[in-house]
Amino acid sequence: SQQGEEDPQALSIQEGENATMNCSYKTSINNLQWYRQNSGRGLVHLILIRSNEREKHSGRLRVTLDTSKKSSSLLITASRAADTASYFCASGDGGSNYKLTFGKGTLLTVNP
Amino acid sequence: EAQVTQNPRYLITVTGKKLTVTCSQNMNHEYMSWYRQDPGLGLRQIYYSMNVEVTDKGDVPEGYKVSRKEKRNFPLILESPSPNQTSLYFCASSLSSGYYGYTFGSGTRLTVV
Repeated sequence: SQQGEEDPQALSIQEGENATMNCSYKTSINNLQWYRQNSGRGLVHLILIRSNEREKHSGRLRVTLDTSKKSSSLLITASRAADTASYFCASGDGGSNYKLTFGKGTLLTVNP
Repeated sequence: EAQVTQNPRYLITVTGKKLTVTCSQNMNHEYMSWYRQDPGLGLRQIYYSMNVEVTDKGDVPEGYKVSRKEKRNFPLILESPSPNQTSLYFCASSLSSGYYGYTFGSGTRLTVV
């Protein structure tokens, strides 16, 4: 079964707007990670939030984690056309950091 | 520059012809992993390694082999490739601490005809 499931599958917004993507997971986690992938390219690690953290910021990115609901969200503020990409959450099965499972991703399109 | 290097970037091969996709990292990472990415299925883990000589199956290991004889290298071997192994493959590595994410290679696009 999928450990990480992103929602929505696709999101289209205008430049300057905020984008919110959600992720749900099933088992206990050590940490939850978010990645970005530009079309056909390698994934780039964005941010990692540990299970004892509730919120984390990095530049225009804000990640929240709710372990009671087994969910996380990624907020991109003041989006730019260059933010157009697929975004994936990933977590380790049973709290591991080596058996990472990725969701199918959210395709974000930021229109100029 | 800290990176994960995969080779080749593109490969077209025929059914049954053994091939190896190489992966090397220069960050002294303990964890290494192989994923395949297919439309509609997302990224699925093939094999992972926690350290030298320690490997284990991921979610889709059938038809693949790996080895980890040195810390920096983690090759993916397809002994007898089939068309259903046509995919985009990624190698990734990470420190074991749980405080850092994975660094991914640029990918290998494999076509088996």
